[in-house]
Amino acid sequence: NAGVTQTPKFRILKIGQSMTLQCTQDMNHNYMYWYRQDPGMGLKLIYYSVGAGITDKGEVPNGYNVSRSTTEDFPLRLELAAPSQTSVYFCASRPPPTGNKNIQYFGAGTRLSVL
Amino acid sequence: GDSVTQMEGPVTLSEEAFLTINCTYTATGYPSLFWYVQYPGEGLQLLLKATKADDKGSNKGFEATYRKETTSFHLEKGSVQVSDSAVYFCALVPPGGSYIPTFGRGTSLIVHP
Repeated sequence: NAGVTQTPKFRILKIGQSMTLQCTQDMNHNYMYWYRQDPGMGLKLIYYSVGAGITDKGEVPNGYNVSRSTTEDFPLRLELAAPSQTSVYFCASRPPPTGNKNIQYFGAGTRLSVL
Repeated sequence: GDSVTQMEGPVTLSEEAFLTINCTYTATGYPSLFWYVQYPGEGLQLLLKATKADDKGSNKGFEATYRKETTSFHLEKGSVQVSDSAVYFCALVPPGGSYIPTFGRGTSLIVHP
């Protein structure tokens, strides 16, 4: 089972460049999330989606955009990369909150450096 | 708002030592509580969970008990191994079907042979 797949695993950007971090899941989960993880700071939610065509901002959305055209895919777009966006980015998904199914499934992460 | 507080790391132990990582939370009602583990270079994965007061979650020798009276969910293991070296995250999901979890900052565990 593939689960949540993120690409690329590593990327170096120059200031002002743009890129898209890809995330796809094969579990038919409605809910998907993007987090960033800075050293010693835990996870911060950037954007989330509760289904195709529906997205909403998390705690730290500035400088990022998302789209959700299908259930499987939830790409994260950086338009004008800045050094402050150097981080490790994680995509996650989860099934709808039926019963006790509140478990999130994470991808392996994308390590991004902006120089 | 909801919050999760974990003890600062790193926690450094010798193999076979007893492990406790403290986690306390602030939330309304009875949230679901989780421990996730992140091994080096990987994403987070669920370690264990508990969904109501006095529940005990357990997995791979790790245990945590949902204590409503102290709003805590401390992670314990009787005898750690080098392979347990990782970062551990405590998290909560509020009751009522919310889809936004709250994570603690994570506690790094280093186990020496």
